[in-house]
Amino acid sequence: EIVMTQSPATLSVSPGERATLSCRASQSVSSNLAWYQQKPGQAPRLLIYGASTRATGIPARFSGSGSGTEFTLTISSLQSEDFAVYYCQQYNKWHPYTFGQGTKLEIK
Amino acid sequence: EVQLLESGGGLVQPGGSLRLSCAASGFTFSSYAMSWVRQAPGKGLEWVSAISGSGDSTSYADSVKGRFTISSDNSKNTVYLQMNSLRAEDTAVYYCAKATEVYSSSPLDHWGQGTLVSVSS
Repeated sequence: EIVMTQSPATLSVSPGERATLSCRASQSVSSNLAWYQQKPGQAPRLLIYGASTRATGIPARFSGSGSGTEFTLTISSLQSEDFAVYYCQQYNKWHPYTFGQGTKLEIK
Repeated sequence: EVQLLESGGGLVQPGGSLRLSCAASGFTFSSYAMSWVRQAPGKGLEWVSAISGSGDSTSYADSVKGRFTISSDNSKNTVYLQMNSLRAEDTAVYYCAKATEVYSSSPLDHWGQGTLVSVSS
């Protein structure tokens, strides 16, 4: 099983500032990496797939980068609606999906 | 508009069974893989099972293998999760999610609102 490790567990950032979230895979997943946002009481929402492609309707302030085992989600200027929990997920062929444990982005 | 509507959750005793359903609309059901993902109270996301669009390929997390069975009915645009030998640690909100491709090695671009399964005596 490919283990996904996210850091930090909690990130405190002020509105308008930049947030950088990290995700590491225990072995290479190439670019088969997605990011999801989940708000309390809601289902997850796909933000980024293919490590760097924004999903439909996702604002340009969200960007993803990385390949292999190291990935980053950057939110360039935090809006109030961005405070949530973020999960990375690998979907490499021949391996079951696995999610990271999540990063909670909170208001500083 | 893609819609996924889960049903079938509830309270069940340890060792019991439950069948979840996910009714899909707004897309060509047989062209996309479907997954079940669960979230225990206050915890993160855990993928449970997936089925290809044609229904001929299935996969399971080790934690549920041999106890859960995923299936689909393309005539009803519905995916099911039969859960047997339920344990307290299976307590979670179960989400149905649509993949972006016919096989499950693809991201999940639409999610239902979830159905709660509680396993307790």
